[in-house]
Amino acid sequence: GQNIDQPTEMTATEGAIVQINCTYQTSGFNGLFWYQQHAGEAPTFLSYNVLDGLEEKGRFSSFLSRSKGYSYLLLKELQMKDSASYLCAVSDSNYQLIWGAGTKLIIKP
Amino acid sequence: IAGITQAPTSQILAAGRRMTLRCTQDMRHNAMYWYRQDLGLGLRLIHYSNTAGTTGKGEVPDGYSVSRANTDDFPLTLASAVPSQTSVYFCASSDGVRDHNEQFFGPGTRLTVL
Repeated sequence: GQNIDQPTEMTATEGAIVQINCTYQTSGFNGLFWYQQHAGEAPTFLSYNVLDGLEEKGRFSSFLSRSKGYSYLLLKELQMKDSASYLCAVSDSNYQLIWGAGTKLIIKP
Repeated sequence: IAGITQAPTSQILAAGRRMTLRCTQDMRHNAMYWYRQDLGLGLRLIHYSNTAGTTGKGEVPDGYSVSRANTDDFPLTLASAVPSQTSVYFCASSDGVRDHNEQFFGPGTRLTVL
């Protein structure tokens, strides 16, 4: 079967750094996405990785290791507005997105 | 309008009733999707359409139907609603269906079936 695992909840302090992990087992791989979802709102795109390595975009970076079936999202200089759920999704052999349940990130002052 | 709109924003429905959730996009995207999101579970694909005139079944299609008569609209119909269909429904679209097919989401419809 297809499976995406990520922690249910994480807590971090404003100004700090947090890493949200995602492991996956899917039938085929055509890229991995990270989305941000604030409570009561729609998911919005953060990053896309298809090759191994680190993609940096401002305060957010995303890493991929295809051989390990592993990705992480790194958030630096945390701000209160970063409190949200972070969704990991893998594009499978049919280019359909398989979604993890999401990691709720709580930022404390 | 810009992006994707969904209607209604929320709805309370009696079991057994028929309901259509509307979705319209103005980005001229080829592909459109319907997901449901339930607490503790990831987004689950109900139906999708890679281009106008075609539709396909996702992971959880039972009890739902869709149509894609044109590029912009992708309505989702519940023929006879049941309480297990209580959920938040998101419509999404993407320009392509292959590499880097970033999906853009509508604001969602919160549906409660009693």
